[in-house]
Amino acid sequence: DTEVTQTPKHLVMGMTNKKSLKCEQHMGHRAMYWYKQKAKKPPELMFVYSYEKLSINESVPSRFSPECPNSSLLNLHLHALQPEDSALYLCASSQGMGSDYGYTFGSGTRLTVV
Amino acid sequence: RKEVEQDPGPFNVPEGATVAFNCTYSNSASQSFFWYRQDCRKEPKLLMSVYSSGNEDGRFTAQLNRASQYISLLIRDSKLSDSATYLCVVRGATNKLIFGTGTLLAVQP
Repeated sequence: DTEVTQTPKHLVMGMTNKKSLKCEQHMGHRAMYWYKQKAKKPPELMFVYSYEKLSINESVPSRFSPECPNSSLLNLHLHALQPEDSALYLCASSQGMGSDYGYTFGSGTRLTVV
Repeated sequence: RKEVEQDPGPFNVPEGATVAFNCTYSNSASQSFFWYRQDCRKEPKLLMSVYSSGNEDGRFTAQLNRASQYISLLIRDSKLSDSATYLCVVRGATNKLIFGTGTLLAVQP
C-alpha cells in the first residue's frame, strides 16, 4: 500500500464546478508535489511545497490553486477547469527537495472534466 | 533536445530473457538518478536509485556513466510481472525531478 494517500480516486466535474483534491502523508516528509499525467505521457510537475511554503509553480493556470495547511497535507483546489485538464493528478512527497531517496507517489486522482 | 531521453519501445521479450533499457540526460549538473516503474493506470513507483558505482537489486542492475550522461537498467530472467513502463528520472540542478517519456516492456509467456 502507498504511504501517500490521495482522495478522491476518481472525480468527474463540470466546467463551472469547484472541487478539491486532497493528499496526505505521515512519513515526516518536508517536500510535497503535485504532478499532472496525461495518457501515455510522463508526469509533469505542477507545484512544489517545501516546509509548507510554495517553492515552485511551473506556470500553472490560476484555475489550479494549491494549498498546504500543514506538513502532512496538500490540497489542490480546482475551479473553472477545461476538458483538456482531464488527467491523472498525482501527489508525491520526499524527505526534502534535494532528497536522494526519490519520491513516493500517491495512487492519484483520475479527473474528468465534462 | 529533451532533458531526459528514452527509447519508448515497446520491448517485447519472452519470459526468462534479459532486457536492457538506456537513457540519456542533457544537463551535466544533474544530481540524482532513478528508475521508476509504472503499471497501466497506476502511480509511478521507485524501482531503484542509480549510483556511479553501479548497483544491483535482485534481477535488476542499474548503472550510471556521468561522463557520457547515460543511465541503464538491466533486467535478468524477465517475469510476466515485469511488464510495465520504466521511467528514467533525473533530479536536476534545481532539485526538480525530470521524467523521461518511459520505455514500455511487455514480457510474453
